[in-house]
Amino acid sequence: AQKITQTQPGMFVQEKEAVTLDCTYDTSDPSYGLFWYKQPSSGEMIFLIYQGSYDQQNATEGRYSLNFQKARKSANLVISASQLGDSAMYFCAMSTTGGGNKLTFGTGTQLKVEL
Amino acid sequence: DTGVSQDPRHKITKRGQNVTFRCDPISEHNRLYWYRQTLGQGPEFLTYFQNEAQLEKSRLLSDRFSAERPKGSFSTLEIQRTEQGDSAMYLCASIFGTSGNNEQFFGPGTRLTVL
Repeated sequence: AQKITQTQPGMFVQEKEAVTLDCTYDTSDPSYGLFWYKQPSSGEMIFLIYQGSYDQQNATEGRYSLNFQKARKSANLVISASQLGDSAMYFCAMSTTGGGNKLTFGTGTQLKVEL
Repeated sequence: DTGVSQDPRHKITKRGQNVTFRCDPISEHNRLYWYRQTLGQGPEFLTYFQNEAQLEKSRLLSDRFSAERPKGSFSTLEIQRTEQGDSAMYLCASIFGTSGNNEQFFGPGTRLTVL
């Protein structure tokens, strides 16, 4: 079975500062993918970034980067230069090849960006 | 429109009534997933299809729930004899491929309220 743990229910960050959202995972499948999604109050799930278990380098997408530490089973999301529009719920998720690629989500972190 | 669409966006029903939701995936995507998200939680997997075949059902999917994807294109999720505990956001997602761990594209969701 797969498990995702997000231990930060809520986070605050000042505009233009960087913030790290924590995520740890557990799986016995050697082939897996780690995802971060953003969910604004409107409810849609917006894909942010993906990291494959065999990828040697950390993934980056614009202001988003994923700090992948395989030995520690962590996949933290780093948002640089925070903007007011980054205020939303952020979910870490995992899929495994042996699990039909279905996503297992964490409980999420509510991020609020302040002036 | 090239995204995943869901209909209706909102549904209010009385306990005991049947409801049906529809999901139209991205046209070339062969896998379609249903998730349920209750307030303050991450989405939870319900079931998924590869083309028209339903390959996995979660234990969350009681016998009051049924899903179909008759021609490998759109999918429907029906809930019979709704209960107040069925109130949630129902999300549909699709991907192309059977191997690897690909980004899932989510629809806007159907928010169900059972009175």
